[in-house]
Amino acid sequence: KAGVTQTPRYLIKTRGQQVTLSCSPISGHRSVSWYQQTPGQGLQFLFEYFSETQRNKGNFPGRFSGRQFSNSRSEMNVSTLELGDSALYLCASSGETGTSGNTIYFGEGSWLTVV
Amino acid sequence: GDSVTQMEGPVTLSEEAFLTINCTYTATGYPSLFWYVQYPGEGLQLLLKATKADDKGSNKGFEATYRKETTSFHLEKGSVQVSDSAVYFCALSPYNFNKFYFGSGTKLNVKP
Repeated sequence: KAGVTQTPRYLIKTRGQQVTLSCSPISGHRSVSWYQQTPGQGLQFLFEYFSETQRNKGNFPGRFSGRQFSNSRSEMNVSTLELGDSALYLCASSGETGTSGNTIYFGEGSWLTVV
Repeated sequence: GDSVTQMEGPVTLSEEAFLTINCTYTATGYPSLFWYVQYPGEGLQLLLKATKADDKGSNKGFEATYRKETTSFHLEKGSVQVSDSAVYFCALSPYNFNKFYFGSGTKLNVKP
């Protein structure tokens, strides 16, 4: 069974540009969540989607957005990039449907550098 | 709000030494608790989890017990190997589906 796949793995963008990152969850998983990982702030929750609906949202500005498609694939978009957006963006999926205790499985991440 | 605090690293041990990485949490209600491990250049992998008080999660020689009275979920291993060198993250999942809160991570270096 293929794991969580994220593309692209590495990218460099210029301040002010926008970027779209893609995530394909494990087959059969309907929940997809996104995290930002930086040395200073650690792992921070961005948002979670389940069956194309945003179910949870973290404390990030509106420049960060996402969506989920009917096949459970998800994209996140960051507009008007800032230097501080440089980070590893991790996608995770889950096939469990409880309100807590669900295991989430991570992809290898997309490394974004903003210059 | 919900949060996780774990001991700062790096932690450096010799092979076959005993490992403890401390983790405490703040949460309303009864969250589930997890340990994830991240090897260089990779995403996070689930190491173990516990979903209710007094549960013990275990995997690959690692153990952690959900202690509600001390709000702790310390990770232990009796004899570490060089291959255990990685960054370990403690995390909690409250009753809010898949919104996780992670600790800052503890880097473990095991020397032969």
